[in-house]
Amino acid sequence: GAVVSQHPSRVICKSGTSVKIECRSLDFQATTMFWYRQFPKQSLMLMATSNEGSKATYEQGVEKDKFLINHASLTLSTLTVTSAHPEDSSFYICSARDTERGDYNEQFFGPGTRLTVL
Amino acid sequence: GQNIDQPTEMTATEGAIVQINCTYQTSGFNGLFWYQQHAGEAPTFLSYNVLDGLEEKGRFSSFLSRSKGYSYLLLKELQMKDSASYLCAVMDSNYQLIWGAGTKLIIKP
Repeated sequence: GAVVSQHPSRVICKSGTSVKIECRSLDFQATTMFWYRQFPKQSLMLMATSNEGSKATYEQGVEKDKFLINHASLTLSTLTVTSAHPEDSSFYICSARDTERGDYNEQFFGPGTRLTVL
Repeated sequence: GQNIDQPTEMTATEGAIVQINCTYQTSGFNGLFWYQQHAGEAPTFLSYNVLDGLEEKGRFSSFLSRSKGYSYLLLKELQMKDSASYLCAVMDSNYQLIWGAGTKLIIKP
């Protein structure tokens, strides 16, 4: 159990276009989902915390108008990178917390999306 | 500020034992996690410690000392497939994960 999927796994786009990444919890409900970005040889950087039915909470330095997050259901959150530029090229990873588990708030990670902006 | 420190890189020999240390300073503590991450892949959960002491799970063990702000991940009987980055992460008082930069473990035959 506790599987998280991401789609697409890889995307290449032209500069100036928008890209949408989906994150789904397949066998559990996730009130909270997290979006991370990871540059080569660096650790995960939390971009935003996505709560179902409410606005996402963005980390300092993350532009909310550029990285649009929608968490419309308990199993789906989407991240849209608007007007993408080459510096947005990165590995984007989502994670979800199983809200029905009363234990240690483990986050389950999706497989990640490799975004390349030309 | 919040800070997680772990070595950048370690090298060990196949079949041997290696210990990866992690020290932390965070605002609040709701547990410490270790994750394994192979290149180009998402992290996978290895262990969780919230109380002091040693948690053993097969070839992997994790230790926590809350008073010292210290944890280690112990890997025994190393295999080539254990070559990966190992990420230490602490859940703070807001239940957010604070991540270390990761330790790249290189296993040599």
